[in-house]
Amino acid sequence: GAVVSQHPSWVICKSGTSVKIECRSLDFQATTMFWYRQFPKQSLMLMATSNEGSKATYEQGVEKDKFLINHASLTLSTLTVTSAHPEDSSFYICSPAPNTQYFGPGTRLTVL
Amino acid sequence: GENVEQHPSTLSVQEGDSAVIKCTYSDSASNYFPWYKQELGKGPQLIIDIRSNVGEKKDQRIAVTLNKTAKHFSLHITETQPEDSAVYFCAASWEGNTPLVFGKGTRLSVIA
Repeated sequence: GAVVSQHPSWVICKSGTSVKIECRSLDFQATTMFWYRQFPKQSLMLMATSNEGSKATYEQGVEKDKFLINHASLTLSTLTVTSAHPEDSSFYICSPAPNTQYFGPGTRLTVL
Repeated sequence: GENVEQHPSTLSVQEGDSAVIKCTYSDSASNYFPWYKQELGKGPQLIIDIRSNVGEKKDQRIAVTLNKTAKHFSLHITETQPEDSAVYFCAASWEGNTPLVFGKGTRLSVIA
């Protein structure tokens, strides 16, 4: 299956700071990356879709100015949570297209 | 858009018994149905998947069935073991560059 890495695996930050999460597809080129988030004891919900070389698209209710997505190359997509608040604490997981059945190991974000 | 319902939300079985988790989907265009196991603090792990051109697939103790007419699919785990205890998610999509839509998950507990 596809190999996907995420960095960092966990991060704790203070409220108001920004956090960058990297997602890399290690063994194939991903023109599209799906970003999901999972709140405690809930399911995975699609947040946004990043496309290499173009703007990301966001699901309803997800603030595009808060969650900045960059897909600069076919192997790297980044999600930056700007001015993080405690309610942004979640598990963020990426999945590359077309191998959408595979996921990165996730990044646990805790905002104090 | 697609909507996936999953039942039950929790399931307890004795070691050695079988466990069955059921999902329904709404979009008849969906043609790809994966199942995931998620352990605490980790990303979802693909355990089995089925495509709409088959009705059943089996991999050792795990099997999945699909009824396209009724738009439902099920996960069957036989001879359950304590290490099968986890949260299981079903999902559906139109395979390719489309994201997965997840069910709400089933917490399976296998009691030794």
